[in-house]
Amino acid sequence: EVQLVESGGGLVQPGGSLRLSCAASGFTFSSYWMQWVRQPPGKGLVWVSRINNDGSTTNYADSVKGRFTISRDNAKNTLYLQMNSLRAEDTAVYYCARDRGVVDCWGQGTLVTVSS
Amino acid sequence: QPVLTQPPSASASLGASVTLTCTLTSGYSNYKVDWYQQRPGKGPQFVMRVGAGGIVGSKGDGIPDRFSVLGSGLNRYLTIKNIQEEDESDYHCGADHGSGSNFVWVFGGGTKLTVL
Repeated sequence: EVQLVESGGGLVQPGGSLRLSCAASGFTFSSYWMQWVRQPPGKGLVWVSRINNDGSTTNYADSVKGRFTISRDNAKNTLYLQMNSLRAEDTAVYYCARDRGVVDCWGQGTLVTVSS
Repeated sequence: QPVLTQPPSASASLGASVTLTCTLTSGYSNYKVDWYQQRPGKGPQFVMRVGAGGIVGSKGDGIPDRFSVLGSGLNRYLTIKNIQEEDESDYHCGADHGSGSNFVWVFGGGTKLTVL
């Protein structure tokens, strides 16, 4: 069974940092591009970042460029999102997702709350 | 980049049919759109991809035959027949744009479907 499990969310003060993880299982992780998408409370989905299968290519939404870094460890079947200089508007549930040309599998999400 | 517009809400009676709409901005009539179902408190689930000519590829895992799509002009439609209680969800449409360093993935605001 294909499974994606996010972790690392929590409460952080403005200006702080968090690292999210996404543990993948049930498929050959190193063969797929991966995405991070977030959902502010009560709102729609917002794309954050993507990475190719070997980690050599990354893309970011303008709203997080220069503050967030996506990476992966194919030996550990894990995707990461390092989030620095966090702002209140970064508060959201963060989802990782598998991209096989269509994004066909999503995790359950981890909540990040940025507040003092 | 395209902007995707969805009505915020829709409703239908148990056993009836409903059509949800995702509208692309002018100039993007050849774009494909992905539909996602998001049940309360859960991560999104891929439903299917739709282009101007209809479905592209195959449905997501476990998506029943009651779900179908159609494309016309700037509109991408998701129709659900014989609505069941478990269809009560938020439905999001998304489309990717660009390539290389110019890649973005945009979403509509989502439509909340209520089953009466």
